[in-house]
Amino acid sequence: QVQLVESGGGVVQPGRSLRLSCAASGFTFSNYGMHWVRQAPGRGLEMVAVIWFDGTKKYYPDSVKGRFTVSRDNSKNIVFLQMSNLTAEDTAVYYCARDFCSDSSCYLPAYWGQGALVTVSS
Amino acid sequence: EIVLTQSPATLSLSPGERATLSCRASQSVSSYLAWYRHKPGQAPRLLIYDASNRATGIPARFSGSGSDTDFTLTISSLEPEDFAVYYCQQRSRWPFTFGQGTKVEIK
Repeated sequence: QVQLVESGGGVVQPGRSLRLSCAASGFTFSNYGMHWVRQAPGRGLEMVAVIWFDGTKKYYPDSVKGRFTVSRDNSKNIVFLQMSNLTAEDTAVYYCARDFCSDSSCYLPAYWGQGALVTVSS
Repeated sequence: EIVLTQSPATLSLSPGERATLSCRASQSVSSYLAWYRHKPGQAPRLLIYDASNRATGIPARFSGSGSDTDFTLTISSLEPEDFAVYYCQQRSRWPFTFGQGTKVEIK
């Protein structure tokens, strides 16, 4: 079955960087787009990055554009989220999710990991 | 940015009762509306996509309806595992946004 395991979360100081990883198994990783979605404490969900199955298209909301970079290694079935210039507002649980559609993107997170907590604090 | 407004914020019901959740979009999203269930400490689960299609493995007690700006998720008879937070999400226009959630709690 589809399994997604995030890692790399932790406590980081404001202004510093952090890289999250998401290891995928149970499906043909190179066929599916991937998402990163976060949930800040007491708040709802926010999609912060989307990457197509082949890495050719990437999307970011204005809140993270220029600071976050999504990438993937289809040979190792891993998707990454590189986060820089972090602020307290980036404190959240970060989920990776697999798209519903193969060979393109439906922009529909269908299968989710358990999440990784990122805390930005001095 | 398309804003999704969910109502009510909290729904207090008993097991076996019917739950009706609403999601309203600030502009038309056609039928590109999904629903998720999120239990604390767990991964969110896709329930409904494209307004009315049940995702794989989702029981028939979950149904979705609506189009354009007004959508409804109905749970015909609440099971213990259904007490959770429910989110709607639109994929009509980037950024693909979520509603703020409706919490279904045990009365």
